[in-house]
Amino acid sequence: DAKTTQPNSMESNEEEPVHLPCNHSTISGTDYIHWYRQLPSQGPEYVIHGLTSNVNNRMASLAIAEDRKSSTLILHRATLRDAAVYYCILRDSGRPDDKIIFGKGTRLHILP
Amino acid sequence: DTGVSQDPRHKITKRGQNVTFRCDPISEHNRLYWYRQTLGQGPEFLTYFQNEAQLEKSRLLSDRFSAERPKGSFSTLEIQRTEQGDSAMYLCASTTGGQETQYFGPGTRLLVL
Repeated sequence: DAKTTQPNSMESNEEEPVHLPCNHSTISGTDYIHWYRQLPSQGPEYVIHGLTSNVNNRMASLAIAEDRKSSTLILHRATLRDAAVYYCILRDSGRPDDKIIFGKGTRLHILP
Repeated sequence: DTGVSQDPRHKITKRGQNVTFRCDPISEHNRLYWYRQTLGQGPEFLTYFQNEAQLEKSRLLSDRFSAERPKGSFSTLEIQRTEQGDSAMYLCASTTGGQETQYFGPGTRLLVL
């Protein structure tokens, strides 16, 4: 699997937007960009994924660069419950059932 | 709650003892994964099953580790002769064939003294 690069940690104020960056310069044409997050003392949970176009769901938005070498997870209005480790992961669309290869992710701290 | 469940949530054992963890996947999910997570790291893949067949094992899964899914529903992960280095969170995830999203359980935290 191609590798991703994320900052180790980020801070944001409560009720403000948060932009979590991810670089994936070696992404292949069949790789989807997935984001999972892991709340304290819980297993990871799916957040969002996309291929080329920007994506929105009830949890977040995903902005994908035109060259697909980077992406940004956007939390529009962070709450204290959004404090978690966020993982940016590339997954081959041809092998959707394959294991997930996690990096260290970005630890997001939300300041009240 | 119809999510993935794991039991126990916490286990403390002494070095050399055997431990067994159980994972109940979401009903009708035919693929089941085990991961291990140490402090400050992301989860690392251990093994996965499609129905009762174990299709892939990581090199992390030493001879002391064995996983089963006898009826294609729940799975067990056993660690024999535990070592302090086995201390970690053991996570289980499940999905259906062709679906990209994996659904994780809350994990079993193992501490080997």
